[in-house]
Amino acid sequence: AQSVTQPDARVTVSEGASLQLRCKYSYSGTPYLFWYVQYPRQGLQLLLKYYSGDPVVQGVNGFEAEFIKSNSSFHLRKASVHWSDSAVYFCAGPNNNAGAKLTFGGGTRLTVRP
Amino acid sequence: NSKVIQTPRYLVKGQGQKAKMRCIPEKGHPVVFWYQQNKNNEFKFLINFQNQEVLQQIDMTEKRFSAECPSNSPCSLEIQSSEAGDSALYLCASSPGASGNTLYFGEGSRLIVV
Repeated sequence: AQSVTQPDARVTVSEGASLQLRCKYSYSGTPYLFWYVQYPRQGLQLLLKYYSGDPVVQGVNGFEAEFIKSNSSFHLRKASVHWSDSAVYFCAGPNNNAGAKLTFGGGTRLTVRP
Repeated sequence: NSKVIQTPRYLVKGQGQKAKMRCIPEKGHPVVFWYQQNKNNEFKFLINFQNQEVLQQIDMTEKRFSAECPSNSPCSLEIQSSEAGDSALYLCASSPGASGNTLYFGEGSRLIVV
């Protein structure tokens, strides 16, 4: 079965530090992959997406992610975090049914210490 | 700001009561999804539509859940007889296509069943 795994349920970093949130996927083909962020009491906001081409994709607010097929990974990175980046981050990829719906990782709760 | 509009943001229902949530997809997006996000951040796909037609749905044999996307009206998700386990954030998302496209989420409707 296709799956998306986020190994770290919680990550805490200091403001200004670099960040990596991990995402591993299991998919038989070449996946399309997404990172979403959820702030408290809000819905999901798209940070970035990968379909094909350049494996490093740039997103909003200084976020980027790298698709590494050999490692089945799509880790999210940011060079310098801000306290406002504190939120829950979700990695998502295709479900085993062709097309429509996505499957989500369990989320990583990021806390940025001032 | 999300272009997918969900109402209401919050609803509180007693067990056995009906709960109805609405969603206006982003303009030009023919595909609409409903997901349930529980307190453990687990996402459960419920149903999706392309225009007015159901594309995929979970087994709703318990018949408590129903959804529709009529033309020229908001999409809706209705729970006929709410149960405590239905307490969750219900997320609507729209997409420009049915396969491999980005999902754009609304702010969600948080259902609390007391």
